Amino acid sequence: AQSVTQPDIHITVSEGASLELRCNYSYGATPYLFWYVQSPGQGLQLLLKYFSGDTLVQGIKGFEAEFKRSQSSFNLRKPSVHWSDAAEYFCAGVGDTDKLIFGTGTRLQVFP
Amino acid sequence: DVKVTQSSRYLVKRTGEKVFLECVQDMDHENMFWYRQDPGLGLRLIYFSYDVKMKEKGDIPEGYSVSREKKERFSLILESASTNQTSMYLCASEQVRDGYTFGSGTRLTVV
Repeated sequence: AQSVTQPDIHITVSEGASLELRCNYSYGATPYLFWYVQSPGQGLQLLLKYFSGDTLVQGIKGFEAEFKRSQSSFNLRKPSVHWSDAAEYFCAGVGDTDKLIFGTGTRLQVFP
Repeated sequence: DVKVTQSSRYLVKRTGEKVFLECVQDMDHENMFWYRQDPGLGLRLIYFSYDVKMKEKGDIPEGYSVSREKKERFSLILESASTNQTSMYLCASEQVRDGYTFGSGTRLTVV
């Protein structure tokens, strides 16, 4: 079955530190992959997306993600985290069913 | 920018009530979706629609129905609300795999 897995439920980093949020997918073919961010009480905002081509994609707010087919991963990265990045992050993918499937999310906490 | 508007941010309803959650998008998108979000479970797809008067069941359709009489409006209906339907409900619209645009969500409490 198609699935998206985020192995880390909760991550804590210091402000200014680098960040990597993990995402693994299980799809037969190359999926379309997305990262969304959700601030408390808000809807989801699209950070970036991968459809094909260059495996390193740039998004908003200084985020990037790298698609690695060999590892079935699409990890989100940011070189220097800001306190305003504290939120919940969701990885999601679309396979041949045309439905967007979400991971269970990673909550990011940022310490000053 | 595409805007997806959910009519209520917070709702409190009684067990057994019929509940309507409304969602409107303003960019003529074909595809619309309803998800519920619960801690530790992420977002789960309830129903979706690829066209007017068309609907498809998602992963957890039990206890819900939907209506899409106009392209811009997609309504989620709880026929008889139960406490286990207390959740955050998120509506989204999409234009051909360009990424989903989400509304701000409706937090429903059933008492």
